[in-house]
Amino acid sequence: RKEVEQDPGPFNVPEGATVAFNCTYSNSASQSFFWYRQDCRKEPKLLMSVYSSGNEDGRFTAQLNRASQYISLLIRDSKLSDSATYLCVVKGEQAGTALIFGKGTTLSVSS
Amino acid sequence: EADIYQTPRYLVIGTGKKITLECSQTMGHDKMYWYQQDPGMELHLIHYSYGVNSTEKGDLSSESTVSRIRTEHFPLTLESARPSHTSQYLCASSEPDLYGYTFGSGTRLTVV
Repeated sequence: RKEVEQDPGPFNVPEGATVAFNCTYSNSASQSFFWYRQDCRKEPKLLMSVYSSGNEDGRFTAQLNRASQYISLLIRDSKLSDSATYLCVVKGEQAGTALIFGKGTTLSVSS
Repeated sequence: EADIYQTPRYLVIGTGKKITLECSQTMGHDKMYWYQQDPGMELHLIHYSYGVNSTEKGDLSSESTVSRIRTEHFPLTLESARPSHTSQYLCASSEPDLYGYTFGSGTRLTVV
């Protein structure tokens, strides 16, 4: 079983749509959680951290459910510029351990 | 404006050649990482360093080696390139861990 699993893509949505991505992780002792965005043939960039209480950044809302080992990302009012691959990322329980990346879910927003 | 730099951006090289992929960061971060990513696949950690003279192998077996003689510099070397090494190599740094990583633009390596 992979350590971080994400919804298979691609998600093809019209502008203005609301889209949700899901992610599960296998290590219950994981401590930190992130969503990264990766554009085609580019490096990943941090989109937002995910906090236990849930957090919002503009049109983006991230949620964490530690009991179910489940992370979600909600994008409201999708823009063309949101088209990218969204990576769910988890950090292990030991101090200083490296980030573990999911395979990513591709979003394509069309006009 | 990038604070972590990778060179070259693209490299096409013949089998058997020795290559070094460069990675430098200006943020003073202690922690640096090398990830390998094939098209459409997830990133896999191949090497990491927590400071000068500290290097460790990651989860993905790799024939490459790294060094960390200066805080800002974390080069990756392949002694003898093979077609199976064709991939994208991404360097990253972090400090502190909770805020995620900053990635370089990557090196796309093709071994022919």
